[in-house]
Amino acid sequence: ETGVTQTPRHLVMGMTNKKSLKCEQHLGHNAMYWYKQSAKKPLELMFVYNFKEQTENNSVPSRFSPECPNSSHLFLHLHTLQPEDSALYLCASSLGQGSDTQYFGPGTRLTVL
Amino acid sequence: QKEVEQDPGPLSVPEGAIVSLNCTYSNSAFQYFMWYRQYSRKGPELLMYTYSSGNKEDGRFTAQVDKSSKYISLFIRDSQPSDSATYLCAMKDSGNTPLVFGKGTRLSVIA
Repeated sequence: ETGVTQTPRHLVMGMTNKKSLKCEQHLGHNAMYWYKQSAKKPLELMFVYNFKEQTENNSVPSRFSPECPNSSHLFLHLHTLQPEDSALYLCASSLGQGSDTQYFGPGTRLTVL
Repeated sequence: QKEVEQDPGPLSVPEGAIVSLNCTYSNSAFQYFMWYRQYSRKGPELLMYTYSSGNKEDGRFTAQVDKSSKYISLFIRDSQPSDSATYLCAMKDSGNTPLVFGKGTRLSVIA
């Protein structure tokens, strides 16, 4: 185990549903990340939080809404998603935003019907 | 031109073979180079880390960086079925910038 947990591991939702993904890290890190992983594409960085402050938003549609209440927890709130949003959503953490080593959670496999 | 190029495979080799995985990149400012291994239904885990040019060895794994050619490699000796996974290269510069990942190469080692 890497010290980064994600729930749920699998999620199926309709296009009109609202759901949330949760990430928790037990490593004492200060930076947390959301990535989207689709088949045959590089990992896409979505959001970065450093010391609870959002520092990067890589042109992510507003139907994805992140929340970071403290340095150990990160949420991704989902609403009115599209089928093309189906992917593996990975959370990662690192000591600080500039750190070169990131630790990943197991991911949430999301299917949008 | 994409920042990091990595052949997605799939690559299938017999057990015991030497495996060579590669990435090329375009940003000469990259200084930190990593290889992550991702098993099916799991998140990526850090496998090898190299700073700047040179080789680094860890057991059956060797990471090589050639900054003049903007080319990095991961060699796996005496490959095992347990090495079957997707291998992602990642790299960054020295600034407060995010990691840049390759697409990943899917490797199957056949017993």
